[in-house]
Amino acid sequence: EVQLVESGGGLVQPGRSLRLSCAASGFTFDDYAMHWVRQAPGKGLEWVSGISWNSGSIGYADSVKGRFTISRDNAKNSLYLQMNSLRAEDTALYYCAKGTRDGYNHDAFDIWGQGTMVTVSS
Amino acid sequence: DIQMTQSPSSLSASVGDRVTITCRASQSISSYLNWYQQKPGKAPKLLIYAASSLQSGVPSRFSGSGSGTDFTLTISSLQPEDFATYYCQQSYSTPPTFGQGTRLEIK
Repeated sequence: EVQLVESGGGLVQPGRSLRLSCAASGFTFDDYAMHWVRQAPGKGLEWVSGISWNSGSIGYADSVKGRFTISRDNAKNSLYLQMNSLRAEDTALYYCAKGTRDGYNHDAFDIWGQGTMVTVSS
Repeated sequence: DIQMTQSPSSLSASVGDRVTITCRASQSISSYLNWYQQKPGKAPKLLIYAASSLQSGVPSRFSGSGSGTDFTLTISSLQPEDFATYYCQQSYSTPPTFGQGTRLEIK
């Protein structure tokens, strides 16, 4: 079964850091780009970051550039999101999503995890 | 960034109805347009990619059309399980952006 399972969310104070993880199974992980997409409570979807199959190409939304770092470990079938200098506006459900291509550009998201909630509050 | 605008924002319809949702891009995106369905408390699900290609396992009552700046998602005969929120997403340029969503409710 193709599956993505996120972990690492929680309640964190503004300015602090958090690291999200996504464990993939059921498909050849290193054939595909991977992405993080977030959804603030009651709001729509926002792409956060994407990474190509070999980590050679990476992109970020302007809202997180310089604060968040995406990475992957193909040997462990895992995707990560290091989130630093967190702000209240980063509060959201963070989804890990599989791309349909090896590069993160021109991509659709065909498999999604269940999401991990990040709440930034003092 | 490319802005995606969906209409309507919400829609009431009955089982068996034909429903069309529109998505407009702020600039031409060729056919780099994808559609997702999201039910409450669940992750989004890819329905249509590249404007008109049906994702594997998605019922054939769903169809997509359009190119350039104007796109449509059509559900030919609404089923009870189709009541959800639908999002379009452009994959023409980075960052990929989503429409604000169309909430489809039971009349």
